[in-house]
Amino acid sequence: KAGVTQTPRYLIKTRGQQVTLSCSPISGHRSVSWYQQTPGQGLQFLFEYFSETQRNKGNFPGRFSGRQFSNSRSEMNVSTLELGDSALYLCASMVQGLSYNEQFFGPGTRLTVL
Amino acid sequence: AQTVTQSQPEMSVQEAETVTLSCTYDTSESDYYLFWYKQPPSRQMILVIRQEAYKQQNATENRFSVNFQKAAKSFSLKISDSQLGDAAMYFCAYRSLGTSGSRLTFGEGTQLTVNP
Repeated sequence: KAGVTQTPRYLIKTRGQQVTLSCSPISGHRSVSWYQQTPGQGLQFLFEYFSETQRNKGNFPGRFSGRQFSNSRSEMNVSTLELGDSALYLCASMVQGLSYNEQFFGPGTRLTVL
Repeated sequence: AQTVTQSQPEMSVQEAETVTLSCTYDTSESDYYLFWYKQPPSRQMILVIRQEAYKQQNATENRFSVNFQKAAKSFSLKISDSQLGDAAMYFCAYRSLGTSGSRLTFGEGTQLTVNP
């Protein structure tokens, strides 16, 4: 079974631009979560989507948004990019989104904001 | 809110030796899950081991085992017979039960070096 895939793997943008990252979960997984990883803040939860609905949201500004499609693929969007948005963005998928399920992570998208 | 603390930013171990990584957490919940994840240089997070808080027995996965002390809110990872491939960043993580879904709260991480 194919793992979680994220595209693109690397991205360079300039301040003020917007960016869209994509995550394709493992087949049959309905929950997709997004995390931001930076050297200063570590790993922080952004949001979770389950069956096309945002179920949980972390403490990030409204510039960060996401959505999930009927095939469970998810996108996250960051508008008006800031230098501090430079990070590794990880997505993870789970079968049902229940707490005992295992989460599988993708390889991440490395975003650099210049 | 829950917090997870890893007080050892870096650890090193000789190949074939045993190393223990520490993790403490703070929560008011009685039931939850704890995890150790490994992040090698490829940056892909890999689940190492999982512990359900309601289980008193410590989880074990081959060379990896945990020491779960619920009252002390401590969750350490022991790696036995360390191998070069164990070199990675290790993260301790907490997940609530129920409606919080998949949300993980991570510690700061411990960078493990394995010396040949």
